[in-house]
Amino acid sequence: RKEVEQDPGPFNVPEGATVAFNCTYSNSASQSFFWYRQDCRKEPKLLMSVYSSGNEDGRFTAQLNRASQYISLLIRDSKLSDSATYLCVLPSDTGRRALTFGSGTRLQVQP
Amino acid sequence: NAGVTQTPKFQVLKTGQSMTLQCAQDMNHNSMYWYRQDPGMGLRLIYYSASEGTTDKGEVPNGYNVSRLNKREFSLRLESAAPSQTSVYFCASSPGTRTYEQYFGPGTRLTVT
Repeated sequence: RKEVEQDPGPFNVPEGATVAFNCTYSNSASQSFFWYRQDCRKEPKLLMSVYSSGNEDGRFTAQLNRASQYISLLIRDSKLSDSATYLCVLPSDTGRRALTFGSGTRLQVQP
Repeated sequence: NAGVTQTPKFQVLKTGQSMTLQCAQDMNHNSMYWYRQDPGMGLRLIYYSASEGTTDKGEVPNGYNVSRLNKREFSLRLESAAPSQTSVYFCASSPGTRTYEQYFGPGTRLTVT
């Protein structure tokens, strides 16, 4: 099993829709989780950190299910500007304070 | 603050040539990282530096060397470029204490022919 697995998509949704992505992880000892956003041909940028059961920031909600080892990202009232690739990220289990990145889920919000 | 800066933005090399990718951060972060990103794959760690004066291998270090010149700068060197090193290279930095959050530079797009 890969350390971090994501559905590559693309998820094509109309403006205003609610969309959710899941990410599964293999390291049951992980305590921190992150969602990064990456626009086409740009660098990844931190979207949300998740340290306990979940986190909410405006239209974005991240939830953690430790029993099933997955985290989800919910985007409400999608905007055209939400179109991007969303990367699920966990601390690496190498003990180097590095990160392990999923390959990302692409979201395309359509007018 | 500029955050994390990288030079060059684009580079084309012939097989066997060498080059150094430069990275600098102005956030007084302790830790710095080099990743590569290939289509359909997540970012993979090449090398990292937990603090000034230390460097360590990541997941894919073969064919690369690094130098942590000072707290601000972390360079990545390709001694003899190969087509398999065609990729987008990202530098990142992190405060390094009590947080895993990392901040990325704009990337260098490298093509090796």
